[in-house]
Amino acid sequence: DIQVTQSPSSLLASLGERVTITCQTSQSISNNLNWYQQKPGQAPMLLIYYATSLQTGMPSRFSGQYSGRSFTLTITSLEPEDIANYFCLQHYSAPYTFGAGTKLELK
Amino acid sequence: QVTLKESGPGILQPSQTLSLTCTFSGFSLSTYGMGVGWIRQPSGKGLEWLANIWWDDDKYYNPSLKNRLTISKDTSNNQAFLKITNVDTADTATYYCARIDYYSSYPDYWGQGVMVTVSS
Repeated sequence: DIQVTQSPSSLLASLGERVTITCQTSQSISNNLNWYQQKPGQAPMLLIYYATSLQTGMPSRFSGQYSGRSFTLTITSLEPEDIANYFCLQHYSAPYTFGAGTKLELK
Repeated sequence: QVTLKESGPGILQPSQTLSLTCTFSGFSLSTYGMGVGWIRQPSGKGLEWLANIWWDDDKYYNPSLKNRLTISKDTSNNQAFLKITNVDTADTATYYCARIDYYSSYPDYWGQGVMVTVSS
């Protein structure tokens, strides 16, 4: 199975701050990685697909980049509604595997 | 509008069979390219892909649990099902279903999950 290492596991940030979350995969997966946002008691929502594409309807302050096996999710300016858990998913090969998640909280 | 909702027993005892239902709307599992996957997350732990089923009834099972899983669908009622046999406390988790598109290969819409506790 492809291992996905996500960091940090938790993050304290201030409103307006730039936030970066990273996932590193154990082998090359091209761009087959997605980012999801999940708020307590709600369904996960697709944020970024194929590493860099913003899902329709999601704010443009979210962006994704990748280089080799390293993938990043960036929030350019943190808004209150961005407080949530974030996780990545590799869909390059089965079984699909996930990052452990990042809990983003307000400082 | 695509929605999915999971349902399950809430609590069951070790060695029993867990039966989960995913009831969805906004798409059909008889449509070419559509699929539903099941994913779980034990409390405080990471997500784990369990199984998925496609419009043509092709199925995939995570090898780590393959012998215990059975996935199926009822296209006329827009439902997908997952059974896990011989459960134990390690199967205590929140279980999610999600829609998958065959051509994109990833889950795009998820349900909010259902909590299942295995306890004697």
